[in-house]
Amino acid sequence: NAGVMQNPRHLVRRRGQEARLRCSPMKGHSHVYWYRQLPEEGLKFMVYLQKENIIDESGMPKERFSAEFPKEGPSILRIQQVVRGDSAAYFCASSRGGPDQTQYFGPGTRLLVL
Amino acid sequence: SQQGEEDPQALSIQEGENATMNCSYKTSINNLQWYRQNSGRGLVHLILIRSNEREKHSGRLRVTLDTSKKSSSLLITASRAADTASYFCATVVTYGQNFVFGPGTRLSVLP
Repeated sequence: NAGVMQNPRHLVRRRGQEARLRCSPMKGHSHVYWYRQLPEEGLKFMVYLQKENIIDESGMPKERFSAEFPKEGPSILRIQQVVRGDSAAYFCASSRGGPDQTQYFGPGTRLLVL
Repeated sequence: SQQGEEDPQALSIQEGENATMNCSYKTSINNLQWYRQNSGRGLVHLILIRSNEREKHSGRLRVTLDTSKKSSSLLITASRAADTASYFCATVVTYGQNFVFGPGTRLSVLP
């Protein structure tokens, strides 16, 4: 049973370009969470999605960031017109849902904006 | 300050010693979970303790939870060099399902 998959593992973009980060949850998991981690810091919640629905996007920046989890395919975190401050590790986690469910994390995508 | 805050921020010990890390939080929680992160890697789930539990064990790990003080501790006994990592506590608040992570404790176990 494969774990949470994220790709790419490393992504380099120039300022103004778009970054697309993909996350495939564990088999049987329909809940996906995205987190951002700056160097030497903890993870900051960004968005929580179920299939075709955004449940909580309270941690998402108001502009340039969007997320989706379509009926088929991986969840996508999209950052438009990237800036240097977007450089971070972006982690995806999945769970079966419910407050007691453990979230299983992917290996992360490290985004570097030049 | 943050919902979950680990203390200390960094800890260095010798192999074989015990390591204790603490986590404090602010709001009521449904459960608290501890994760480990090796440098440059994703997070690995260690243990979950529910709000109605006081202590839990898993191998060399012992977690306590004191809801009256809004704090938890993670004890790693007989530490090994392979335990070197950052350790995070994450809380699930009662009104939602999103994790709130603290900044982590960086543990170094010296051989």
